[in-house]
Amino acid sequence: DSGVTQTPKHLITATGQRVTLRCSPRSGDLSVYWYQQSLDQGLQFLIQYYNGEERAKGNILERFSAQQFPDLHSELNLSSLELGDSALYFCASGPLTGTDTQYFGPGTRLTVL
Amino acid sequence: GENVEQHPSTLSVQEGDSAVIKCTYSDSASNYFPWYKQELGKRPQLIIDIRSNVGEKKDQRIAVTLNKTAKHFSLHITETQPEDSAVYFCAASRPGDSSYKLIFGSGTRLLVRP
Repeated sequence: DSGVTQTPKHLITATGQRVTLRCSPRSGDLSVYWYQQSLDQGLQFLIQYYNGEERAKGNILERFSAQQFPDLHSELNLSSLELGDSALYFCASGPLTGTDTQYFGPGTRLTVL
Repeated sequence: GENVEQHPSTLSVQEGDSAVIKCTYSDSASNYFPWYKQELGKRPQLIIDIRSNVGEKKDQRIAVTLNKTAKHFSLHITETQPEDSAVYFCAASRPGDSSYKLIFGSGTRLLVRP
C-alpha cells in the first residue's frame, strides 16, 4: 500500500458524459501527478499540482481538467468522453520539496461505452 | 522533446537466469531514473531508483546502472523467480519548478519460466 488513495476503482460510462476521478496523496505530500495508461500509449503524464497550484502540464486534452483542493486531494475531470478515453488513470504523490520520488495510487479504470 | 526508449518490449527467461532491460533518454538535464514494476491491473510499484550523481545502485537481486555520457540506464535482475514476471517501466525526470514529472519508457513484459 503506497498510502495514495483513488476513487472510484472502476467507472463505466457512455460517450459524451463527464466524470470526476479523485485522488488523495500520502500524508505530508504536496504534489499530485496524474498519469493515463492506455494499451497503445503506455504511461503518459497529464498534469501536476503542487500545494494547490498547477505546476506542469503534459499531453492533457482540453476536455480534461484538474484541480487540487486546500486539503491537498485532487480531482481529474474528464468531459465529452470518447471511446479512446478508456484507460487506467493513476495519480501519484511526491514528498514535500526538493525530491522526486513518486508513489502511485491503485488507479481508476475508466471504460467509455 | 523529452523521450525515453525502452528495450526489449518482451523478455522471456528461465527461472534462475538474469534479466536485463535497457533505457535511453533524450533530455541531458534528466537526473532521476526510477524503475517501476507493474502487475496486471495493479499500480506501478517503485522497485529501485538512481540519481545522476551515482553510477550504480543495488538492492538484493536488483541493480540499476547509469551511463550519463551515453544517456542510458539499465535494470539488472539476477536469480529471477516466477514472481518477477510483470511489466517493468523505466522513467526519467529532470528538476523543475517543484515539478518532477516522469517520462516513461514503453515497458518491458518479463516472463520468468519455471
